[in-house]
Amino acid sequence: KNQVEQSPQSLIILEGKNCTLQCNYTVSPFSNLRWYKQDTGRGPVSLTIMTFSENTKSNGRYTATLDADTKQSSLHITASQLSDSASYICVVSARSSYKLIFGSGTRLLVRP
Amino acid sequence: NAGVTQTPKFQVLKTGQSMTLQCAQDMNHEYMSWYRQDPGMGLRLIHYSVGAGITDQGEVPNGYNVSRSTTEDFPLRLLSAAPSQTSVYFCASSRQSEDTIYFGEGSWLTVV
Repeated sequence: KNQVEQSPQSLIILEGKNCTLQCNYTVSPFSNLRWYKQDTGRGPVSLTIMTFSENTKSNGRYTATLDADTKQSSLHITASQLSDSASYICVVSARSSYKLIFGSGTRLLVRP
Repeated sequence: NAGVTQTPKFQVLKTGQSMTLQCAQDMNHEYMSWYRQDPGMGLRLIHYSVGAGITDQGEVPNGYNVSRSTTEDFPLRLLSAAPSQTSVYFCASSRQSEDTIYFGEGSWLTVV
């Protein structure tokens, strides 16, 4: 069964610290993996998209990694800011399919 | 560009009532979809469309209808609302299936 699992479920860090969020998937055949940021009460916003051949992609202070062999991805946030408080969602799509498989997200709270 | 616009933002329905959630995009995207987001769960695909006149079912289609008469609009109809349909609904669009997906701001629906 195609699944996406994220950890931790929630995380609290102090402003200025770094953190790493994890995503494991069992989607096959793999097409791409996306990370989204969802602020409370808003729609998800795209951070990165990675295909099979890409193992790192950055978007400002956000860096995503992908290990297609172990089917794992991580999202690293550097020098966190209060505005980083949000849910981060890992999304995987299978080849030749428009259907995306969403993780349940990691809820990040950045405290001053 | 306004992006993906959803209306209404909030709606309360009585069990058995019908209603339509509106979704419009001004980016000339071929792909449009509807998701629902429930607490502790990932977004789940209700219906999607790969172009005007073409629609297909997603993971949780029961109780919902869609149509795609134009590229811009993709309304979601609840035929006979049930309390189990209380959720947050997101409309999304993309140029191609592999491209960045843009989400609307969400519609909060409560069925009493």
